[in-house]
Amino acid sequence: DAGVTQSPTHLIKTRGQHVTLRCSPISGHKSVSWYQQVLGQGPQFIFQYYEKEERGRGNFPDRFSARQFPNYSSELNVNALLLGDSALYLCASSLEGYYTDTQYFGPGTRLTVL
Amino acid sequence: QQPVQSPQAVILREGEDAVINCSSSKALYSVHWYRQKHGEAPVFLMILLKGGEQKGHDKISASFNEKKQQSSLYLTASQLSYSGTYFCGTENEGTGRRALTFGSGTRLQVQP
Repeated sequence: DAGVTQSPTHLIKTRGQHVTLRCSPISGHKSVSWYQQVLGQGPQFIFQYYEKEERGRGNFPDRFSARQFPNYSSELNVNALLLGDSALYLCASSLEGYYTDTQYFGPGTRLTVL
Repeated sequence: QQPVQSPQAVILREGEDAVINCSSSKALYSVHWYRQKHGEAPVFLMILLKGGEQKGHDKISASFNEKKQQSSLYLTASQLSYSGTYFCGTENEGTGRRALTFGSGTRLQVQP
């Protein structure tokens, strides 16, 4: 079975631009979570979606937004990019997003903001 | 609140054992362990739930001390493939759909 897929793999943007990252969960999984991982740190929670509804939001500014589609895939949007947004963005899927569910991570999108 | 992992880094020879700890200042309801190799996604190792249930890797063991709000990951007879950064993700509310809060990681290097 295919794992979690993310696109693009790498992305280079300049300050002030907008970016859209995409994620397809494991077949049968209805929950997608987004994490930001800065070099040398653990993943930091951004959003969780379940059945197209936002179920949780981390401590990130309103420049970050996301949505989930009927096929459970998801997009993460970041507006007005800052240098500090440079990071690895990870998508994780789970069956229903419960705290007892295993989350499976995708390979991530490496975003560089110049 | 971010869990605290210790040690921050450890170097082993093949065949040696290691213990990685994860502590929380709040009650723990589930602890999720992952290993991440450089440039790759975190890979699920094990989940421990309050009450004793465990799910995960059959070659790695872990413990969950609810009183101490602590979990430990035991790596025995280490192999070169065990090298990477180990993260614990914790959940502190024990209800519903919750995101994980990850520690800063423990860098493990296994040498021949």
